[in-house]
Amino acid sequence: KNEVEQSPQNLTAQEGEFITINCSYSVGISALHWLQQHPGGGIVSLFMLSSGKKKHGRLIATINIQEKHSSLHITASHPRDSAVYICAVPSQGNLIFGKGTKLSVKP
Amino acid sequence: ETGVTQTPRHLVMGMTNKKSLKCEQHLGHNAMYWYKQSAKKPLELMFVYSLEERVENNSVPSRFSPECPNSSHLFLHLHTLQPEDSALYLCASSPGTGAPYEQYFGPGTRLTVT
Repeated sequence: KNEVEQSPQNLTAQEGEFITINCSYSVGISALHWLQQHPGGGIVSLFMLSSGKKKHGRLIATINIQEKHSSLHITASHPRDSAVYICAVPSQGNLIFGKGTKLSVKP
Repeated sequence: ETGVTQTPRHLVMGMTNKKSLKCEQHLGHNAMYWYKQSAKKPLELMFVYSLEERVENNSVPSRFSPECPNSSHLFLHLHTLQPEDSALYLCASSPGTGAPYEQYFGPGTRLTVT
């Protein structure tokens, strides 16, 4: 059974700080997803990556397939980044999800 | 703005009611999903449809009944629910099923069972 663990569960930061959220999983995968869920509930796909690093604006996602670990970084964090960030990996053709990291960025 | 819409956004129902959740995708995708998100728990996959055919049912109680009349529409029919069924129900779609595809989520329906 593939397990997905995220850390930390909750994170509070001051505006402008550099944020790192971690995700570990237990079996080999072909790709990993990072998702963002805002307080209203809607989920947006941020990244799907299978190796190395991807960057989109202030967001950077990295993955180390050998270590079964991925990180999501946010540079120059802003209150509008406050959301739950979810890591997901494929398992038997579907996605399984971590519990999410709740990020709160204070002005 | 996503190409996946869900209605209603909020629903309160009694345990004896029958209601339906609706999902529509405007992305030309072939696969659609129902997920349940309860407080403090990760997203749980309920049903997967590929080209209108159910391909996965994760041991969901029969009080939840999905329907996929075409590749753009997905329904979740609810009857005789329990208070523990209160949760956020999310619909998603993807070009196909399987690992390489990103899933696109709707805004969710917040369900409260009284």
